[in-house]
Amino acid sequence: DGGITQSPKYLFRKEGQNVTLSCEQNLNHDAMYWYRQDPGQGLRLIYYSQIVNDFQKGDIAEGYSVSREKKESFPLTVTSAQKNPTAFYLCASSWGGTDTQYFGPGTRLTVL
Amino acid sequence: AQSVAQPEDQVNVAEGNPLTVKCTYSVSGNPYLFWYVQYPNRGLQFLLKYITGDNLVKGSYGFEAEFNKSQTSFHLKKPSALVSDSALYFCAVREGDGGYQKVTFGTGTKLQVIP
Repeated sequence: DGGITQSPKYLFRKEGQNVTLSCEQNLNHDAMYWYRQDPGQGLRLIYYSQIVNDFQKGDIAEGYSVSREKKESFPLTVTSAQKNPTAFYLCASSWGGTDTQYFGPGTRLTVL
Repeated sequence: AQSVAQPEDQVNVAEGNPLTVKCTYSVSGNPYLFWYVQYPNRGLQFLLKYITGDNLVKGSYGFEAEFNKSQTSFHLKKPSALVSDSALYFCAVREGDGGYQKVTFGTGTKLQVIP
């Protein structure tokens, strides 16, 4: 069964804690992305990676960090520096940076 | 800078009637245009895309979209709406020329199909 998986589906964080969201794909895609979705604002790009061991900041990278040690994995860490982290987080992947993006099911993060 | 606008926050249509979800865009070069659908608490699903060629693009679940360069629009259409089409629809654009180009998403249009 091919696709993109994200875990956990729901995540609760206390203020001051770092949390890591998982994203895995078995589509053999080179490029991977993280987006944040807030009501009425569409999707905003946090980070993207076009190739293993390389990644670039998106529009709202402050307070977030990523790694790309393996082609199939692109975890996102939401740090305590992110002041308003409650949101729906979506991971996506594509064959290359120019191609159609395919999305995972999302992780809903809530700060308590 | 590129941008995409979805002027309607919500569209209501009766089941069996045709539906249109509007999208206009702005890019400096040739556009690549996309439509995605999102069901509650789910990820986005790809519906269709325009890169080049025929202005009428056919996609999944009976949806189609018409690229209009002069009006910089890429409206999503379906001849006969189903209740199961009720969802959030996103239009997206990227510049088609060159290497990696960021994809910009619209704010989404909620489609409500009324039985």
